[in-house]
Amino acid sequence: KNEVEQSPQNLTAQEGEFITINCSYSVGISALHWLQQHPGGGIVSLFMLSSGKKKHGRLIATINIQEKHSSLHITASHPRDSAVYICAVTTGNQFYFGTGTSLTVIP
Amino acid sequence: GAGVSQSPRYKVAKRGQDVALRCDPISGHVSLFWYQQALGQGPEFLTYFQNEAQLDKSGLPSDRFFAERPEGSVSTLKIQRTQQEDSAVYLCASSSRRLAHNEQFFGPGTRLTVL
Repeated sequence: KNEVEQSPQNLTAQEGEFITINCSYSVGISALHWLQQHPGGGIVSLFMLSSGKKKHGRLIATINIQEKHSSLHITASHPRDSAVYICAVTTGNQFYFGTGTSLTVIP
Repeated sequence: GAGVSQSPRYKVAKRGQDVALRCDPISGHVSLFWYQQALGQGPEFLTYFQNEAQLDKSGLPSDRFFAERPEGSVSTLKIQRTQQEDSAVYLCASSSRRLAHNEQFFGPGTRLTVL
């Protein structure tokens, strides 16, 4: 039962590179969330979107409802961006999470 | 302002013991969610409260799992007769609005290890 699929599972990048993480889902959704999880478990909500595109600093999130696909982009990546990035979708009261993309940015 | 807090941060239990995990949501937040995150996996939904009412408990894996939020603020997740497969990080999140499609604020989690 994988309502949410992310790719890649692991990603290593050089500092400064442009990064893309992809998310596909199979259920009808109210919203899609991108979350950041640092070692130790703390989760921070980066974006919540139901259409179009959102930008926050170096982070950009897009969603295509027809294709049931979203992407998270990081421009000018930095070692502090190293974390697990989780895509999650909501339907009603339920949250379905992807397994995450582990990003390591090397100086 | 304080965020969501959880206690204990780490819990080691012997198989068969009962455990209680506490979540203090952000003050005034209506919605409270519990999730279970196994090692290397994404979180999985356990249960959802709107104020003191448990509106969805479809994710609780067995009748050994019980959650309550009697006064609509602090919540406790109780696991009876713990098993090794219960070992996971238990995450709590709260939201100022009803329904899951609003922004949720996550606590740091409680890492449960059952020996």
